[in-house]
Amino acid sequence: DAGITQSPRYKITETGRQVTLMCHQTWSHSYMFWYRQDLGHGLRLIYYSAAADITDKGEVPDGYVVSRSKTENFPLTLESATRSQTSVYFCASRSGEQYFGPGTRLTVT
Amino acid sequence: GEDVEQSLFLSVREGDSSVINCTYTDSSSTYLYWYKQEPGAGLQLLTYIFSNMDMKQDQRLTVLLNKKDKHLSLRIADTQTGDSAIYFCAGTGTASKLTFGTGTRLQVTL
Repeated sequence: DAGITQSPRYKITETGRQVTLMCHQTWSHSYMFWYRQDLGHGLRLIYYSAAADITDKGEVPDGYVVSRSKTENFPLTLESATRSQTSVYFCASRSGEQYFGPGTRLTVT
Repeated sequence: GEDVEQSLFLSVREGDSSVINCTYTDSSSTYLYWYKQEPGAGLQLLTYIFSNMDMKQDQRLTVLLNKKDKHLSLRIADTQTGDSAIYFCAGTGTASKLTFGTGTRLQVTL
């Protein structure tokens, strides 16, 4: 199916663990984005990518790592999860309009 | 960078019109967008307006842009219970990044 998907949809992990959130889009959009959504903050940009092998920091990049070896995939890794990273994470891709994935709800205990 | 502000909450009665407001700081934003987020879901693009337009109408939705005041609004005519959601405005900043407001929760009452 065409579109943008995220996996897993829900994840519970412990403090200090490494977690990777996956994002896949089928449109071959150049731009891809990772946001986190927290009450009172709206959506904040973590990282974005303009093309394969090109990534850049957003507003809140600390504690996160991204890679983009293929145009269609844009994984987000929390190298050592902290409780402050409990959030809902949205991936998005864009050519003209920007489309969002369904989100991953991450809980760090 | 771009800063986008919205009021947090709006309550309207079913059948009335809703007006959701947004102010932004970056006058160079080429496009301004409205997204809708229903509970437990991602953001869905509702409509957008190009910065050289003052108004755009799309069925029950009307977007007004006041560039002088850097004010954007979304009017929903004949608001229905299915319109209950969080509405985000967003503007294009640098490097094709969107900056989002904090979202306005629209509650539609019977």
